[in-house]
Amino acid sequence: AQTVTQSQPEMSVQEAETVTLSCTYDTSESNYYLFWYKQPPSRQMILVIRQEAYKQQNATENRFSVNFQKAAKSFSLKISDSQLGDTAMYFCAFMKGWGAQKLVFGQGTRLTINP
Amino acid sequence: EADIYQTPRYLVIGTGKKITLECSQTMGHDKMYWYQQDPGMELHLIHYSYGVNSTEKGDLSSESTVSRIRTEHFPLTLESARPSHTSQYLCASGQEAGARNEQFFGPGTRLTVL
Repeated sequence: AQTVTQSQPEMSVQEAETVTLSCTYDTSESNYYLFWYKQPPSRQMILVIRQEAYKQQNATENRFSVNFQKAAKSFSLKISDSQLGDTAMYFCAFMKGWGAQKLVFGQGTRLTINP
Repeated sequence: EADIYQTPRYLVIGTGKKITLECSQTMGHDKMYWYQQDPGMELHLIHYSYGVNSTEKGDLSSESTVSRIRTEHFPLTLESARPSHTSQYLCASGQEAGARNEQFFGPGTRLTVL
C-alpha cells in the first residue's frame, strides 16, 4: 500500500516570501503520479501542480515548483513570491499510473500567508 | 461551463434518517470518486466508479452506498445516519489514464448528524 506523509501540520510566512512544503511517500510502484492540491478555507479543492514519476525534470506552474527526488521518495512544493490568496490547506497526493487512478493523500499542511 | 456539482452544501439531520448526497459532473468523465474528510484532516477514498453500472469500495470502510446509473451522476446514500457519519464528503471526477490524470473536486457536502 502507498503512504504519503506531510510532516509540517502548519506553516506561516510573510507575503512575498518563499515557502517550501515537504512531502515524502512510500511505494513499490515504478509508474505513478504525484500532485499538490490546494484547499482554500470553505472553497473547492484545486490542483496546483502535478509530476509524472518517469520525468526527471521538475514541474513548474508560474510561482509554484516542485523538487522531485525519486530515489529519496520526496516531493516538496515551493511557492515563490507568496500571496495572501495562497492561504490554504495544501495536500500532497499519490496516484498509481494504472487502474482506478485513486488518490492517496497526505495529512495536509495549513499554510498562512501574513500581510 | 464544465464543472462538478454537489448538493446540498450543508446538511444537519437527526440520527436514523436516510440521506442522499448528490454529485453531478458535466465534464464527460468516466471515473468518479467519493472522499470523506474530517475537519483539517486528509481525504480518504470511500467509493469509486469506472463508469456506468460500475461501483467499488475505497480504501476507507464506509456504511454508505453509491450508484452509477448515468455517466454524469454519482449519488451517495446513507440508509440510517449516525453521529459517527458527521464529516465532509467530497465528490471528484477524473479523466482516462494516459491523459492528465487530474481529478476535479466538487465543493463538498458538510454533513452533521445529531
